[in-house]
Amino acid sequence: QKEVEQNSGPLSVPEGAIASLNCTYSDRVSQSFFWYRQYSGKSPELIMSIYSNGDKEDGRFTAQLNKASQYVSLLIRDSQPSDSATYLCAVNMDSNYQLIWGAGTKLIIKP
Amino acid sequence: GAVVSQHPSWVICKSGTSVKIECRSLDFQATTMFWYRQFPKQSLMLMATSNEGSKATYEQGVEKDKFLINHASLTLSTLTVTSAHPEDSSFYICSARPPAPGTSNQPQHFGDGTRLSIL
Repeated sequence: QKEVEQNSGPLSVPEGAIASLNCTYSDRVSQSFFWYRQYSGKSPELIMSIYSNGDKEDGRFTAQLNKASQYVSLLIRDSQPSDSATYLCAVNMDSNYQLIWGAGTKLIIKP
Repeated sequence: GAVVSQHPSWVICKSGTSVKIECRSLDFQATTMFWYRQFPKQSLMLMATSNEGSKATYEQGVEKDKFLINHASLTLSTLTVTSAHPEDSSFYICSARPPAPGTSNQPQHFGDGTRLSIL
């Protein structure tokens, strides 16, 4: 069964520190990886996409992909209270364009 | 770019009523749209994949006669919850994927969701 695993948290990080969110996936041939942010009561919002091994940076966010280890992570630098949300990892594992979703990690940034 | 509009945002209605939710891609054509349901404090659950011009593909355990999906154009998919009951109360969210033939690289973009409450 194709799976995406995330630690449900909550992950508590002091304001200004680096928040590190992790995700593992089961299907070695996966090609596309996405991080979404979901505030309570709202729909998911795309934060980052990554397709190749290595790091991809966008402002305070860095996505890291290691296909050999089947591992993708999201780093948030200079964490702000407004970053407090649930972060969802999503992986495309086949050609029907469906995403396999992790259960999400709840992140709390403490002022 | 890649804006998805969902309407209505909130629905409160009596048990037995049918409710229609619309999902529109505003600045791109979407041959494929997705319908999700999310209960409080739980994960997103894919209900069905909506394909323009053909029948939707439903996930296991989702009643296709209960949740009617129509994807009549490249920018509009609708979900109708027929004869809704209190257990159907949930947060329904649609998403659409911009076209990128032959690749899986395009992400899904979400509407704002519809909160459905059945009394």
